[in-house]
Amino acid sequence: DAGVIQSPRHEVTEMGQEVTLRCKPISGHDYLFWYRQTMMRGLELLIYFNNNVPIDDSGMPEDRFSAKMPNASFSTLKIQPSEPRDSAVYFCASSRGGDEQFFGPGTRLTVL
Amino acid sequence: GEDVEQSLFLSVREGDSSVINCTYTDSSSTYLYWYKQEPGAGLQLLTYIFSNMDMKQDQRLTVLLNKKDKHLSLRIADTQTGDSAIYFCAVNGSYIPTFGRGTSLIVHP
Repeated sequence: DAGVIQSPRHEVTEMGQEVTLRCKPISGHDYLFWYRQTMMRGLELLIYFNNNVPIDDSGMPEDRFSAKMPNASFSTLKIQPSEPRDSAVYFCASSRGGDEQFFGPGTRLTVL
Repeated sequence: GEDVEQSLFLSVREGDSSVINCTYTDSSSTYLYWYKQEPGAGLQLLTYIFSNMDMKQDQRLTVLLNKKDKHLSLRIADTQTGDSAIYFCAVNGSYIPTFGRGTSLIVHP
């Protein structure tokens, strides 16, 4: 298996634009997690899904953030409109049964 | 919810031992993990310990668990420059692991 795949690896956009981050989890994994990592706040759990259903989105910062998982092999995290304070590295991770998590390489987002 | 605390930085000399500490709040944790993040990459599982164990050794790595004090530590023997990374403690309390903020290990010659 290729591991967790994220795209794009880098994204530079201007304030106010819509940003969509994509994730393909490892086949057979039933949990999917979205994290955000910054120097100031460390690693933050934004939302996680179990069997494509959002279970806990309490970490989503505000209504500008939304996440979907239309099927077992694909998830998106959307920010609309984006702001400079959203600049961070966004990680997707998947696991089987909620145990060891396998992380993707991350998407480095810069909002100017 | 679960709270996991780690110090943010640790600096050691090459060849010395490194000890990274972690404290947590949920006493019902069943699995406790250490993840490693190298520059520009995602986190990778380094090792883990079951809550019914006190110690686990894996080559240069030793994990110690003190359940009474809710304290977990990772010892790296003979630390090398390649060990420079961010190390995350994660605790599986309410089924989903909670991560600490990570400890940046800096190894200097």
